[in-house]
Amino acid sequence: NAGVTQTPKFQVLKTGQSMTLQCAQDMNHEYMSWYRQDPGMGLRLIHYSVGAGITDQGEVPNGYNVSRSTTEDFPLRLLSAAPSQTSVYFCASSSGSWGYSNEQFFGPGTRLTVL
Amino acid sequence: GDSVTQMEGPVTLSEEAFLTINCTYTATGYPSLFWYVQYPGEGLQLLLKATKADDKGSNKGFEATYRKETTSFHLEKGSVQVSDSAVYFCALSGGGSARQLTFGSGTQLTVLP
Repeated sequence: NAGVTQTPKFQVLKTGQSMTLQCAQDMNHEYMSWYRQDPGMGLRLIHYSVGAGITDQGEVPNGYNVSRSTTEDFPLRLLSAAPSQTSVYFCASSSGSWGYSNEQFFGPGTRLTVL
Repeated sequence: GDSVTQMEGPVTLSEEAFLTINCTYTATGYPSLFWYVQYPGEGLQLLLKATKADDKGSNKGFEATYRKETTSFHLEKGSVQVSDSAVYFCALSGGGSARQLTFGSGTQLTVLP
């Protein structure tokens, strides 16, 4: 099992550019989520999904889009990058539709810098 | 809404010292409580959890007890090692709000030999 994988590990963007952060899991987990980690603020939920075709917003969804066409993949799209989106992004997955109350398995993270 | 407050770091200890990292929470309903650990350059991983009042979670020598009366879930370890150096996050879920995990701000622990 590879667990949760994320690509790329590092990315530098210019303001206004768009990009997609990739996340995949091979544990057949129903619940997947995206967090951003900023110094002194812990992790904040961006979007989450309780199964293929079902997504919902978290605490800080503005400027981000998600879709869930398969159980395995949950990409995060930045529509028009802004310096405020400079952060470390983590994807996580867990079993069951109530996965937020189960153990979350995290990917290694993507460090994004927006100039 | 739900919230988690952790003691501010960084915390620096000598090897074999006693560790306490304080965590208090605000939530409606009956949340589950977690401690996650993040080693340098890695994602978070679950350290321990407790799902109801008076439950004690334990793993790798770390312990935390779910105290409903004081809304606390303090992390303790009797004798820390250099390998315990990491960032520790307290978190809660299922308190009654959205289907998500709410994290504290994290506490950086450095253990010196």
